[in-house]
Amino acid sequence: GAGVSQSPRYKVAKRGQDVALRCDPISGHVSLFWYQQALGQGPEFLTYFQNEAQLDKSGLPSDRFFAERPEGSVSTLKIQRTQQEDSAVYLCASSQRDITFDTQYFGPGTRLTVL
Amino acid sequence: AQSVSQHNHHVILSEAASLELGCNYSYGGTVNLFWYVQYPGQHLQLLLKYFSGDPLVKGIKGFEAEFIKSKFSFNLRKPSVQWSDTAEYFCAVNEPAGGSYIPTFGRGTSLIVHP
Repeated sequence: GAGVSQSPRYKVAKRGQDVALRCDPISGHVSLFWYQQALGQGPEFLTYFQNEAQLDKSGLPSDRFFAERPEGSVSTLKIQRTQQEDSAVYLCASSQRDITFDTQYFGPGTRLTVL
Repeated sequence: AQSVSQHNHHVILSEAASLELGCNYSYGGTVNLFWYVQYPGQHLQLLLKYFSGDPLVKGIKGFEAEFIKSKFSFNLRKPSVQWSDTAEYFCAVNEPAGGSYIPTFGRGTSLIVHP
């Protein structure tokens, strides 16, 4: 079946521009996670949704980062006034249930480069 | 805050060699433990996970990991690696007692297997 998809796969932005990254989770998956992965590092948690409720946004690095999942399916991560330090791969993952040991299914990521 | 250490950042092996990748975490309570793998050009995917019961966990493609609570470790093993095991391997931990669905990832180990 279809996995998690993300778009765009690559995004180049000039410093100061706003960007929007989209995640389509596996249909019916309750939980959705966003991660930021810098070069040579593991994924770092940004935010988590259970259906449409954003239950944890403690990992968002600044108020320039905003995420939503208004209908409990597709999610958008928005970064305002991008900075060079925002350059990274942004990963989305979804899981079927809202339990702590459920398997997360990852998308291919969006590679953001801020010039 | 939870931290996860993967001490081997780069490992190079010949085919048929045995593999052990180290993973240590800092939290002393109940944990869920995961190993994820990212093959070249592919998404992160789950190799195996531990959440309760037998501390020796078997995963896909002949991989296994042993949870040793006294050592705060969850090392990944494979008795005989293949060229197709070349990939990036990530250990991740979360703390279910706090209701936390958020895994903390290690920085990853890059494995190269020579044919």
